[in-house]
Amino acid sequence: NAGVTQTPKFRVLKTGQSMTLLCAQDMNHEYMYWYRQDPGMGLRLIHYSVGEGTTAKGEVPDGYNVSRLKKQNFLLGLESAAPSQTSVYFCATNSFGAGGANVLTFGAGSRLTVL
Amino acid sequence: GQQVMQIPQYQHVQEGEDFTTYCNSSTTLSNIQWYKQRPGGHPVFLIQLVKSGEVKKQKRLTFQFGEAKKNSSLHITATQTTDVGTYFCAREGYGGSQGNLIFGKGTKLSVKP
Repeated sequence: NAGVTQTPKFRVLKTGQSMTLLCAQDMNHEYMYWYRQDPGMGLRLIHYSVGEGTTAKGEVPDGYNVSRLKKQNFLLGLESAAPSQTSVYFCATNSFGAGGANVLTFGAGSRLTVL
Repeated sequence: GQQVMQIPQYQHVQEGEDFTTYCNSSTTLSNIQWYKQRPGGHPVFLIQLVKSGEVKKQKRLTFQFGEAKKNSSLHITATQTTDVGTYFCAREGYGGSQGNLIFGKGTKLSVKP
């Protein structure tokens, strides 16, 4: 039981390159989230999904796209990376939609550097 | 708006000293959660407070929810080096029925042995 798995753990990009971060969960949770964490800024919600095939914008969605084609996977895409997107990205899930507690389980994080 | 303010931003203590971090909201909260993030790690859920004036304890950690449900605190008695990390409070937001949480900016605790 791995919980929430993020890949890759580290990545360095050049400005303008594209990439996709993958979040996979084996807890059968409906709700999934992508947060970014920057020094002194806490955790800010980028996009989220309340179920397979659904996505919605969070606090800082610009420059990112997401997809939830399968319940267990939530992908975060950067079409044209910018230095401002240098950050640590965390995926999280909860079972809130299925009557569970609104408690987030986080992945280990993906550290992205854009040069 | 929906933000939660945490103070202090940083706290340096000698091992054995007490530590308190505060979380404040301008609006009434339905509940408040606390998470801990160890250096280089990911946030881990500690506790959720729901009732006005609620106090919960976890060993040396004491969590309080204000009577007006607009503020909360986390107090650690006799800190240990294992308490090092950043402590975040979080409130519901962005459509409370969808489980989204808004996090404070955190209080970073360092403990000198």
